[in-house]
Amino acid sequence: DAKTTQPNSMESNEEEPVHLPCNHSTISGTDYIHWYRQLPSQGPEYVIHGLTSNVNNRMASLAIAEDRKSSTLILHRATLRDAAVYYCILTYNNNDMRFGAGTRLTVKP
Amino acid sequence: SAVISQKPSRDICQRGTSLTIQCQVDSQVTMMFWYRQQPGQSLTLIATANQGSEATYESGFVIDKFPISRPNLTFSTLTVSNMSPEDSSIYLCSVLLPGQGLDTQYFGPGTRLTVL
Repeated sequence: DAKTTQPNSMESNEEEPVHLPCNHSTISGTDYIHWYRQLPSQGPEYVIHGLTSNVNNRMASLAIAEDRKSSTLILHRATLRDAAVYYCILTYNNNDMRFGAGTRLTVKP
Repeated sequence: SAVISQKPSRDICQRGTSLTIQCQVDSQVTMMFWYRQQPGQSLTLIATANQGSEATYESGFVIDKFPISRPNLTFSTLTVSNMSPEDSSIYLCSVLLPGQGLDTQYFGPGTRLTVL
């Protein structure tokens, strides 16, 4: 399985943008890049996914490097509710998901 | 998305006993998954449960310890057998649903198990 590397933790101020990085230098051509987040005392929640092109949805944006060896999840305006552990996961078909340690995001008021 | 519920939401059990966790989905799904999240850790896949077939277990997990049932397309159970304190974890089910260009996993709220 292709592995991902994320910082253990990050801090952000409320109302400011947050850029959460993920390195995946061994990504294969068929791997999708998925982001999930886990709010305190909840199950993981789907955020966004992409293959090659940048993606936007109502929750976030996903910027994928041209060589696909890294990606960045962008929260445009962090709120206190965005405090969570964010997981970057590579998988071909989404039925074989391996969770790493993720990045714990703290949002300061 | 889907509404996924788990019962119980939490339980405290004595060692040597067994607990069955239920996962109910509000739509029919082919693939369901069971995960374990040990205290302070990330999620680990226990097994994949497809309706009409035996569950497929990941390395380190065996059917005798974690028997799974999948009687229909909206329901599954995971039993944690002969529990020890090391089984204290959050157990989560998830389902695979059609998404934007790719099937997406959606998770239940989890069952927090404490074994004394």
